[in-house]
Amino acid sequence: DAEITQSPRHKITETGRQVTLACHQTWNHNNMFWYRQDLGHGLRLIHYSYGVQDTNKGEVSDGYSVSRSNTEDLPLTLESAASSQTSVYFCASSGVNGETQYFGPGTRLLVL
Amino acid sequence: AQTVTQSQPEMSVQEAETVTLSCTYDTSESDYYLFWYKQPPSRQMILVIRQEAYKQQNATENRFSVNFQKAAKSFSLKISDSQLGDAAMYFCAYRSSDGMLTFGGGTRLMVKP
Repeated sequence: DAEITQSPRHKITETGRQVTLACHQTWNHNNMFWYRQDLGHGLRLIHYSYGVQDTNKGEVSDGYSVSRSNTEDLPLTLESAASSQTSVYFCASSGVNGETQYFGPGTRLLVL
Repeated sequence: AQTVTQSQPEMSVQEAETVTLSCTYDTSESDYYLFWYKQPPSRQMILVIRQEAYKQQNATENRFSVNFQKAAKSFSLKISDSQLGDAAMYFCAYRSSDGMLTFGGGTRLMVKP
């Protein structure tokens, strides 16, 4: 079955370190998204991509970057981790028509 | 920019009863999609139901149905015959024409046995 996976599922890092969160989907979806969810809140969009070599900034993109070298993967990089980036991160994907986004299981990141 | 509001931070329902979760949104678009996602303690985001704005008929998925009032910009979720497994956070989401999802703040649903 097609799926969307994220790794690692849990990560602890120190302030100032570079961190990369992986997202891999086997749906063959063109569109991929990264969100963060903070305690008691809904999801906020960080970055998104509509296809290979395409990346766009979302609502809360400062301090994050993404790259899209193939259809299946959209890694999220925190250039210099900050305590404010402690959160749960979700990756999602959707097809060409893009009506429905399907979500990965999430990565819980703690920045000390 | 679109906004999505869920005015009920918490709701509770007795097992086997019916509960309705509220959602309102603000948009100037005429063509869009609306979603309800369920997030259990595992944190996995699970699609519950989807509504296309151009469809007048309310979407239904088994025990889950929506009341979509386009003019009022209202999109409520009704859960019938509530089960213990329905306990979760529920998020309403709006998908704009450019494919972006905007989420509401969520409603925590508790189901009492």
